[in-house]
Amino acid sequence: GQSLEQPSEVTAVEGAIVQINCTYQTSGFYGLSWYQQHDGGAPTFLSYNGLDGLEETGRFSSFLSRSDSYGYLLLQELQMKDSASYFCAVRDADSNYQLIWGAGTKLIIKP
Amino acid sequence: EAQVTQNPRYLITVTGKKLTVTCSQNMNHEYMSWYRQDPGLGLRQIYYSMNVEVTDKGDVPEGYKVSRKEKRNFPLILESPSPNQTSLYFCASRENGKDTQYFGPGTRLTVL
Repeated sequence: GQSLEQPSEVTAVEGAIVQINCTYQTSGFYGLSWYQQHDGGAPTFLSYNGLDGLEETGRFSSFLSRSDSYGYLLLQELQMKDSASYFCAVRDADSNYQLIWGAGTKLIIKP
Repeated sequence: EAQVTQNPRYLITVTGKKLTVTCSQNMNHEYMSWYRQDPGLGLRQIYYSMNVEVTDKGDVPEGYKVSRKEKRNFPLILESPSPNQTSLYFCASRENGKDTQYFGPGTRLTVL
């Protein structure tokens, strides 16, 4: 079956860099996405990796290694507004290309 | 403004009383989907639709129905709600072939 593992909680300091890891187990991997969700809000798209390597969007970067079934989201120059939950999601060919979601990582940022 | 809207945002109901949660998008997206979110479980897909009159079951379809008569609307129907359907529900849409999903604001449902 399919599964995604990510840490349940990560704590970091304002201005620092934090990495949120995601490992997945799927039969027909198609791509890895990251979404951000603030408390009480809706998930919003951050990034997508279809191929190995690093994708950069401003302070956020996402990395994928398909051979290791592993990816991460890197947040730089952390701001208090980055306090949120972050979800990795995999598009799986064996699930008719629907997204399979991780349980989410709650990022706590301290001043 | 491009958006996905859901109504109602909050609903408290009783077991067995049929309800409908509406979802509408103004981006002309072919694909729409319903998720439920429960603590510690992430998002689980209920139903999805690749286009008008085409719907498919997701991971947790039991107890739910959907319809897609028009491109913009994708209502979620609970014919006989039960307490285990108490959850936060999200509707989402995207263009077919694209990866970015756009989510509605969510509907918090409590079934007593």
